[in-house]
Amino acid sequence: QVQLVESGGGVVQPGRSLRLSCAASGFSFINYAMHWVRQAPGKGLEWVAVVSFDGGTKYYVDSVKGRFTISRDNSKKTMYLQMNSLRAEDTAVYYCARDLHGGWPVGMDVWGQGTTVTVSS
Amino acid sequence: SYVLTQPPSMSVAPGKTARITCGGNNIGSKSVHWYQQRPGQAPVLVIYYDTDRPSGIPERFSGSNSGNTATLTISRIEAGDEADYYCQVWDASSTHLVFGGGTKLSVL
Repeated sequence: QVQLVESGGGVVQPGRSLRLSCAASGFSFINYAMHWVRQAPGKGLEWVAVVSFDGGTKYYVDSVKGRFTISRDNSKKTMYLQMNSLRAEDTAVYYCARDLHGGWPVGMDVWGQGTTVTVSS
Repeated sequence: SYVLTQPPSMSVAPGKTARITCGGNNIGSKSVHWYQQRPGQAPVLVIYYDTDRPSGIPERFSGSNSGNTATLTISRIEAGDEADYYCQVWDASSTHLVFGGGTKLSVL
């Protein structure tokens, strides 16, 4: 079945780095753009970043530009989020999600179960 | 940047109809998608492209979009519909994906 599985979350000190992974299965990964979406404790959904089907186009929310990098390895059917210079406000559950399409972002039709990132000293 | 406005909460009795609104400047010119998130679970797409329903989503869920307001309508409310609901658009001018603040639907 179509599935997304996130990993790599944990507790990290402010200013440190973390890399999240999202492993896809059950569909043709290369045909879809992919997103990271986060949810701080008790808060709503916040879009973080999107990468196009071929990795050639990437967009970010302003609060993570220059600190986070989204990427993908289509041969491994895996997407990544490299998070540097982490701040307390980055604490959240991070979800990976499949876009409805491959190129221009639209919305998300498949979601992972999420991985928790806690930034704390 | 583009802003989507939802009522923070609403309460509906079982069997009645819930209408959750999502306001945005000329939102009728954009494609709106809706997500349901039950406590402790990942979001689930319930309506895409304003009115389309993914397979497995009951016909009780429907959507509309015109002018400055998009609406998610849930008919014949059941206890299992109690959840947070989010609207979402892609704002091409800012190249940002935008979520509304979410509406917590309570079933009385």
